[in-house]
Amino acid sequence: DAKTTQPPSMDCAEGRAANLPCNHSTISGNEYVYWYRQIHSQGPQYIIHGLKNNETNEMASLIITEDRKSSTLILPHATLRDTAVYYCIVLNNNAGNMLTFGGGTRLMVKP
Amino acid sequence: DAGITQSPRHKVTETGTPVTLRCHQTENHRYMYWYRQDPGHGLRLIHYSYGVKDTDKGEVSDGYSVSRSKTEDFLLTLESATSSQTSVYFCAISPGTSKETQYFGPGTRLLVL
Repeated sequence: DAKTTQPPSMDCAEGRAANLPCNHSTISGNEYVYWYRQIHSQGPQYIIHGLKNNETNEMASLIITEDRKSSTLILPHATLRDTAVYYCIVLNNNAGNMLTFGGGTRLMVKP
Repeated sequence: DAGITQSPRHKVTETGTPVTLRCHQTENHRYMYWYRQDPGHGLRLIHYSYGVKDTDKGEVSDGYSVSRSKTEDFLLTLESATSSQTSVYFCAISPGTSKETQYFGPGTRLLVL
């Protein structure tokens, strides 16, 4: 599975958009980009995933660059409850691979 | 939230005693997983199940066994608990269509003295 690189921490003002970047320059054509987050003391929470087209759901938007070497998770109006560690994971979901959670980005939403 | 419960939520035990953690789901999902989370290691997969009586090992399976006799229950057993198994244990489930879209339980905090 492709390796991902995320900044270890970011801050965001409450009510503003939070843009969390992820580099995955070695991604292959059949690998998806998944985003999860983990709020303190809770289990990880699935957010969104995509292959090459941009995706949006009720939680967030996922923007994948045309060459697929990087992506950005966007929380359009961050709230204090969005403070969490965000994990970007790249893998082939048809190959029986399991999720591997790396270091992630610790997002702090501030009032 | 997906219907996943874990029991117990907290447990303190002594080295050498057996411990069983239970994961229960009400979603009828095919796949179930057990992870442990430790500082500096992130989440690591212990065992997973792809159906009743069908299980396989994950990254850190030594010292753990699992059983799945019903779709809704996945049990994790520490046959003889050690201090290195002090951790937070998370159960997760996913539908058969996408194993990577997983829904996690609230976790069990286990302390082995």
